[in-house]
Amino acid sequence: SQQGEEDPQALSIQEGENATMNCSYKTSINNLQWYRQNSGRGLVHLILIRSNEREKHSGRLRVTLDTSKKSSSLLITASRAADTASYFCATDAGDKIIFGKGTRLHILP
Amino acid sequence: DTGVSQDPRHKITKRGQNVTFRCDPISEHNRLYWYRQTLGQGPEFLTYFQNEAQLEKSRLLSDRFSAERPKGSFSTLEIQRTEQGDSAMYLCASNGGSGVSTDTQYFGPGTRLTVL
Repeated sequence: SQQGEEDPQALSIQEGENATMNCSYKTSINNLQWYRQNSGRGLVHLILIRSNEREKHSGRLRVTLDTSKKSSSLLITASRAADTASYFCATDAGDKIIFGKGTRLHILP
Repeated sequence: DTGVSQDPRHKITKRGQNVTFRCDPISEHNRLYWYRQTLGQGPEFLTYFQNEAQLEKSRLLSDRFSAERPKGSFSTLEIQRTEQGDSAMYLCASNGGSGVSTDTQYFGPGTRLTVL
């Protein structure tokens, strides 16, 4: 079963614009992570935010977490062609993590 | 520093055949995870090991699937009597160990299985 659900399913923006993806989840969590997957490749960890944190930054990435709404957002600022990928949120479930279906981001030149 | 590696990267097989995939985790990691990912979906958890012990198996892991990690290092995932529905990307990830967090997982490139 998949706990997180990303929105939108797909997003196309012009290079240089900001991209925002959202994730909603169902049960209580200790942390939430975002991963990126380039086409046909493995996943790369981007950022982890713990349940007692509300916002976290890493380079051009900004993640927010609202545990009362069971939701998170990932903002990528000043997008680049290399940001074209699928982005997944993942929530902890015991010793494993559960992924959402992902947002497919396409950066237009 | 080598990351997680998987072999083969691609496998095409006929329905009914058995296939085996291998995963080599990052050397200091004691946890190893297997996932299956179909087109347009996120990875779905199959099973995980801590050292050589298989600690959890998903209901997705039918009797035709078996995973091993005999010496607590590399792992194999075998699918017997493959079906067309087994066509997917099989991903391996690792983490954990002395001073290594078990929150973030480090993924291999995956093995893409096509069952004809």
